[in-house]
Amino acid sequence: AQSVTQLGSHVSVSEGALVLLRCNYSSSVPPYLFWYVQYPNQGLQLLLKYTTGATLVKGINGFEAEFKKSETSFHLTKPSAHMSDAAEYFCAVSGAGGTSYGKLTFGQGTILTVHP
Amino acid sequence: EPEVTQTPSHQVTQMGQEVILRCVPISNHLYFYWYRQILGQKVEFLVSFYNNEISEKSEIFDDQFSVERPDGSNFTLKIRSTKLEDSAMYFCASTRTGSYEQYFGPGTRLTVT
Repeated sequence: AQSVTQLGSHVSVSEGALVLLRCNYSSSVPPYLFWYVQYPNQGLQLLLKYTTGATLVKGINGFEAEFKKSETSFHLTKPSAHMSDAAEYFCAVSGAGGTSYGKLTFGQGTILTVHP
Repeated sequence: EPEVTQTPSHQVTQMGQEVILRCVPISNHLYFYWYRQILGQKVEFLVSFYNNEISEKSEIFDDQFSVERPDGSNFTLKIRSTKLEDSAMYFCASTRTGSYEQYFGPGTRLTVT
């Protein structure tokens, strides 16, 4: 079984400030981890993913995340927030292979607000 | 860039009616999924589909739900007798063999009155 917990349903930052969105996961198999972004009235867009290899992964729009197995975490960061980053962010986990191929389990989502 | 498309964007139906939500996955993708997002809640997995059969389904996906790939391009979700609690945004996703990166469509907002 897999689960994802996103700490903080709302995060507010000033433009130019560091963005940190927290994600912890639980998985009985080696996890594949994802961050998706959802802009108002739009679908889910993949920001970045971790499958294997380097634990620090870079994504689109200047975001990055680090897989920390010991902490079961996959926090999303961006050094400097931009107004256009305002959206809802979802962390998700999937397991490798078997009948659960690719099935994503999502966290509750974090709404990011960016103030001028 | 290829993308997943979904129709309609918004569907309003009366309780007890049947609805069919349509999706066109990316053409070389072989794994297909439906998810739903009730307003204010997390995105939930409904069903995965591969090689013309269901690979896995969640407990939400009961006998009222069915999926079909009627031709080489469409992937549909049917709800036989809609309930008020079926009101949600329904997302279709697809991925190719060997990849865990799912591409999502823009969603269909289903409103059951």
